Amino acid sequence: GAVVSQHPSRVICKSGTSVKIECRSLDFQATTMFWYRQFPKQSLMLMATSNEGSKATYEQGVEKDKFLINHASLTLSTLTVTSAHPEDSSFYICSAPPGRADTQYFGPGTRLTVL
Amino acid sequence: QKEVEQDPGPLSVPEGAIVSLNCTYSNSAFQYFMWYRQYSRKGPELLMYTYSSGNKEDGRFTAQVDKSSKYISLFIRDSQPSDSATYLCAMSVGAGGTSYGKLTFGQGTILTVHP
Repeated sequence: GAVVSQHPSRVICKSGTSVKIECRSLDFQATTMFWYRQFPKQSLMLMATSNEGSKATYEQGVEKDKFLINHASLTLSTLTVTSAHPEDSSFYICSAPPGRADTQYFGPGTRLTVL
Repeated sequence: QKEVEQDPGPLSVPEGAIVSLNCTYSNSAFQYFMWYRQYSRKGPELLMYTYSSGNKEDGRFTAQVDKSSKYISLFIRDSQPSDSATYLCAMSVGAGGTSYGKLTFGQGTILTVHP
């Protein structure tokens, strides 16, 4: 199947710092990518849709100024958690559709811990 | 009421058993149905994808959709210890419009297959 990578796989940072997470589609182009957050023993919650060449669209309740998304190319989207706080600690996962929008391939996830 | 309901389990079965996982949904606009497998601290892996009522088989896995009852199932035959994971159902309304590519997930069912 299609391959989606994420970097870093794990990050630990101090409260107040910003953290950037990269999501890459390795063998296909994606004009749209999606960012999810998953808390322990819970399901994935969609945070935002990343659109190449235009602004991201955010789900209700997600602060766009806190979670900055940049879709720099057809294979790269970045999520920056600004001024991170302990409550932002979570598992962040990106996904991309390899052509058909009704299926998604997911990255391996990034575990963020804010101290 | 959640749009997608999935019994979180946990479900424990002996090796070789047939496993039945189920989800119900309330949004009749859902047209595409997926099952993902997620190992601990990893991103979800696409197992099955279907868009019509009926059965779809792939190796030991069978996905079943009943749109009239708003009910989907995943059957795993000859279950193996390596099948131990969290299984997530996911649904989408399909391509086009503001719902492009967005997946709605069930809570996930934790499955353990013991030798």
